[in-house]
Amino acid sequence: QVQLQESGPGLVKPSGTLSLTCAVSGGSISGTYWWSWVRQPPGKGLEWIGEIYHNGRTNYNPSLKSRVTISVDKSQNQFSLKLNSVTAADTAVYYCARSPVLRSYGTDVWGQGTTVTVSS
Amino acid sequence: QSVLTQPPSVSAAPGQKVTISCSGSSSNIGDNYVSWYQHLPGTAPKLLIHENKKRPSGIPDRFSGSKSGTSATLGITGLQTGDEADYYCGTWDTSLSAGVFGTGTKVTVL
Repeated sequence: QVQLQESGPGLVKPSGTLSLTCAVSGGSISGTYWWSWVRQPPGKGLEWIGEIYHNGRTNYNPSLKSRVTISVDKSQNQFSLKLNSVTAADTAVYYCARSPVLRSYGTDVWGQGTTVTVSS
Repeated sequence: QSVLTQPPSVSAAPGQKVTISCSGSSSNIGDNYVSWYQHLPGTAPKLLIHENKKRPSGIPDRFSGSKSGTSATLGITGLQTGDEADYYCGTWDTSLSAGVFGTGTKVTVL
């Protein structure tokens, strides 16, 4: 059973860079899946951030595209999120997740989420 | 910000049925399959429905999904207190080349 675990700083200063990593266990990141990041600001709904395939192909939310980079490290079986120039609006619970390459199957595996607060 | 619109809340008594609508456009729901997720704050979202109406293994048949044109619907029958959660629709937006979620609906069991 594939499991995902997010890790990274829980506090980031305004204008800084938010960096998170998602470790994949129980399966290979090189399988036929998209690996994605989703966030939920306090009191708000889910927001799709972006995704990566093991060959490095990415798709990003247009509203975040200028600040987001998602990368994959196949040797460590993990993928990462970097969000630049953060503000308080980027405070959220961040989830990493997996979607079969046939998008019709939905997002079937999720991490437990990690809370990131943007504050000085 | 969300391109998919859901009612903020629905409620019903235990044992009753609720339906949650998800309204989109030709570039998202109209062009792609819809999934539904159950989310309890502080926990990982859970896939309830994929391909508009299919249930993953372990999801009871009290949960059902349908799609028509640019809208989709989640139904929950035999409502239980454990069903109290936030529910989100999700799909791919072909024009945006991005995933999109609905605004979310809170289900309350009276």
